[in-house]
Amino acid sequence: QVQLVQSGAEVKKPGASVKVSCKASGYSFSTYTIHWVRQAPGQRLEWMGLINAGNGNTKYSQKFQGRVTITRDTSAVTAYMELSSLRSEDTAIYSCARAAKQLVRDSYSYHLDVWGKGTTVTVSS
Amino acid sequence: DIQMTQSPSSLSASVGDRVAFTCRAGQSISSYLNWYQQKPGKAPKVLISAASTLQSGVPSRFSGSGSGTDFTLTITSLQPEDFATYYCQQSYSTPWTFGQGTKVEI
Repeated sequence: QVQLVQSGAEVKKPGASVKVSCKASGYSFSTYTIHWVRQAPGQRLEWMGLINAGNGNTKYSQKFQGRVTITRDTSAVTAYMELSSLRSEDTAIYSCARAAKQLVRDSYSYHLDVWGKGTTVTVSS
Repeated sequence: DIQMTQSPSSLSASVGDRVAFTCRAGQSISSYLNWYQQKPGKAPKVLISAASTLQSGVPSRFSGSGSGTDFTLTITSLQPEDFATYYCQQSYSTPWTFGQGTKVEI
């Protein structure tokens, strides 16, 4: 079945970096974009960025620009999200999700149809 | 960034009730609005895409409506498994943004 399997929980010190992986199975990896979304405790879901798994093009939220890097390895059918210069406010669950597209009138609408289970990243000294 | 505001933040309801909650966008987003359900410790699940398209496998008691800036998610005859938090999300432009959620409690 279609699924995204993420790497395990991480504990990092302030100033460090974390790299979370997201391995796809059950579908053609290069045909979709992968998005990264995080949720801090008690907060709303927050979109971080995306990668076109086919051509590697990325787009990031301005909030994380300069600190986040999203990559993919097509041979490993895996996407990665690296966040640097971690601070305590980055403590959150980080999730990858696949974007499906839907034709609406004469353009495409996108929604996140398959999600990973999430990776807990704790930033603490 | 497009601000998404949901109301109410929480509501109490009983099994069998009809409930509706709203999502307002800070600018027109046409029909580029999705609804997700999230249960504690679980990943969000898409219920409705493009404002009104029911996703495969989602019960027909869920429905979505609206366009432009105002959207509604309606659940007719609330079931025990529907007690969860519901988020709206716009895909009109990046950064995609989510509402703060509506928690449906017993």
